[in-house]
Amino acid sequence: AQKVTQAQTEISVVEKEDVTLDCVYETRDTTYYLFWYKQPPSGELVFLIRRNSFDEQNEISGRYSWNFQKSTSSFNFTITASQVVDSAVYFCALSEETSGSRLTFGEGTQLTVNP
Amino acid sequence: NAGVTQTPKFRILKIGQSMTLQCAQDMNHNYMYWYRQDPGMGLKLIYYSVGAGITDKGEVPNGYNVSRSTTEDFPLRLELAAPSQTSVYFCASNGGDAGNNEQFFGPGTRLTVL
Repeated sequence: AQKVTQAQTEISVVEKEDVTLDCVYETRDTTYYLFWYKQPPSGELVFLIRRNSFDEQNEISGRYSWNFQKSTSSFNFTITASQVVDSAVYFCALSEETSGSRLTFGEGTQLTVNP
Repeated sequence: NAGVTQTPKFRILKIGQSMTLQCAQDMNHNYMYWYRQDPGMGLKLIYYSVGAGITDKGEVPNGYNVSRSTTEDFPLRLELAAPSQTSVYFCASNGGDAGNNEQFFGPGTRLTVL
């Protein structure tokens, strides 16, 4: 069965600090997909990134970067020079090829960036 | 495109009442999903559909029913509301049958059962 663990329930940082959100996953499939979503205080879910299991290259998008390591089953998310607008709940999610497009979500990490 | 739309945005029900949460998408997506998000928790899959006329249970289906008579619409029915169904409900859709496709989410329906 697939499982996603986000061990950090809450993180609080001061603006301009770097912060890393951890995500550890479990799956028996060799083909799977990992996602990060952002949920700001307004409540909607905003897609950030998708990564398939065959692509272990790290990705950078502006202040956001993602580190995918199959050896440790982790897909961590780093925000560089955090800003107050980054305050949100961040969810990591997993989809296995054998389960179609169904997503299994982690419990989320509440990030608070203080001015 | 309006994307994924959900109605109503908010609803308060009394125990034992029933209601239907509406979800529609205009992206011609085959796959649609219903999730619930309890306070401080992640999303859990209630039901999903891979096309019109086809539905299947997710992780937490008890107390809910769905139907999919058209590609566009995927309503979620609560027959006998219970306080445990107080949650935010998200509908989502995507176009492919592989997990590589992003799911597009609606804005959510906040339901309170008193």
